[in-house]
Amino acid sequence: GAGVSQSPSNKVTEKGKDVELRCDPISGHTALYWYRQRLGQGLEFLIYFQGNSAPDKSGLPSDRFSAERTGESVSTLTIQRTQQEDSAVYLCASSSNVLRRGDGYTFGSGTRLTVV
Amino acid sequence: KQEVTQIPAALSVPEGENLVLNCSFTDSAIYNLQWFRQDPGKGLTSLLLIQSSQREQTSGRLNASLDKSSGRSTLYIAASQPGDSATYLCAVIDQGAQKLVFGQGTRLTINP
Repeated sequence: GAGVSQSPSNKVTEKGKDVELRCDPISGHTALYWYRQRLGQGLEFLIYFQGNSAPDKSGLPSDRFSAERTGESVSTLTIQRTQQEDSAVYLCASSSNVLRRGDGYTFGSGTRLTVV
Repeated sequence: KQEVTQIPAALSVPEGENLVLNCSFTDSAIYNLQWFRQDPGKGLTSLLLIQSSQREQTSGRLNASLDKSSGRSTLYIAASQPGDSATYLCAVIDQGAQKLVFGQGTRLTINP
């Protein structure tokens, strides 16, 4: 597609419920990144994929968070048993080839998650 | 561990002024540096990308420089306009971590 697409754009969920956030990267982009931004805070790295593999999951805050990527395309970030501190904007970015290292990153518009 | 710092945290200037935003990073082993703009409640828009072998990039009224050896970058905005009001984020791709590491941003307000 023309850009990185994230869905839903907004999600309100009750504490304890599971949520799935979706990211469709730019077609052909092999690298995909998830970041989190709490209100008034900076961007916090969560995980990145090279193809369908996740070489770096170091930013996932707890075992309630998981992510997968299939077909070197769409990625899903799943948060189980949501807590109020999970409320944030979740941003996805993609890049053509992390190994080339000369390319920039394109971000989606984000999913605003509110846990009530 | 790579750390990125942006100064100032906030800046308010009258329309028409030229201004400079600063970014510094602790580890010079980077692949490239990217400046983004973020409007309230929105995602990030890429402004300029400087590869590690480059010294500067220009796009319209924006000019970004990179001094990798000293760990610094500046974003110069000429003839500022109210529409430039946003948060500006600097990020480096760290050779070790292979991911974008962000600064906390500079919140810019241009007053008409």
